[in-house]
Amino acid sequence: SAVISQKPSRDICQRGTSLTIQCQVDSQVTMMFWYRQQPGQSLTLIATANQGSEATYESGFVIDKFPISRPNLTFSTLTVSNMSPEDSSIYLCSVEDRNLGYTFGSGTRLTVV
Amino acid sequence: AQKVTQAQTEISVVEKEDVTLDCVYETRDTTYYLFWYKQPPSGELVFLIRRNSFDEQNEISGRYSWNFQKSTSSFNFTITASQVVDSAVYFCALPQGAQKLVFGQGTRLTINP
Repeated sequence: SAVISQKPSRDICQRGTSLTIQCQVDSQVTMMFWYRQQPGQSLTLIATANQGSEATYESGFVIDKFPISRPNLTFSTLTVSNMSPEDSSIYLCSVEDRNLGYTFGSGTRLTVV
Repeated sequence: AQKVTQAQTEISVVEKEDVTLDCVYETRDTTYYLFWYKQPPSGELVFLIRRNSFDEQNEISGRYSWNFQKSTSSFNFTITASQVVDSAVYFCALPQGAQKLVFGQGTRLTINP
């Protein structure tokens, strides 16, 4: 199964700043997914990132707030821009995995103060 | 659209008790997968099982077992002889199309010594 390295694992950021989260996969994958999990809530898909094309955002999420890069088939970044305390969440990347269905990164726990 | 309902928000039991986590789903797909994930306090999502809708046999893995009943659209998860290390949030999930996972609200399980 695919192995995902996600960085940073946690961060505390000042409001108004931006944080870029990275996910590196040990194999080539077509689609990468970015999820947000607000405190005490379930996971919600932010966007799907395909290599070579713009990410597809779910309702309620916009590119200006959550720009995504997908420069190759093993790497993607998610930026949380102009952060506010409401952005405090766990952010997880995910890829389709032939054996398990979906594999997740270890998550980035973001606190905005 | 897919929907997953985990009606039990929180469950608390004493160690060594058996506990069942309920999952009810809605889908118009004739074939589909169902998933269970465990999220310990560290935040990562740990894959537990993927079940194909073709296969309605119950599955057992150590102290874990799953009961899939297509007739009632349920995919329940039982932990036998629970242990403190089983304390976590558990999510049931269903893919939407070939892409994103739709998650239930999660059940927070606390095993008390």
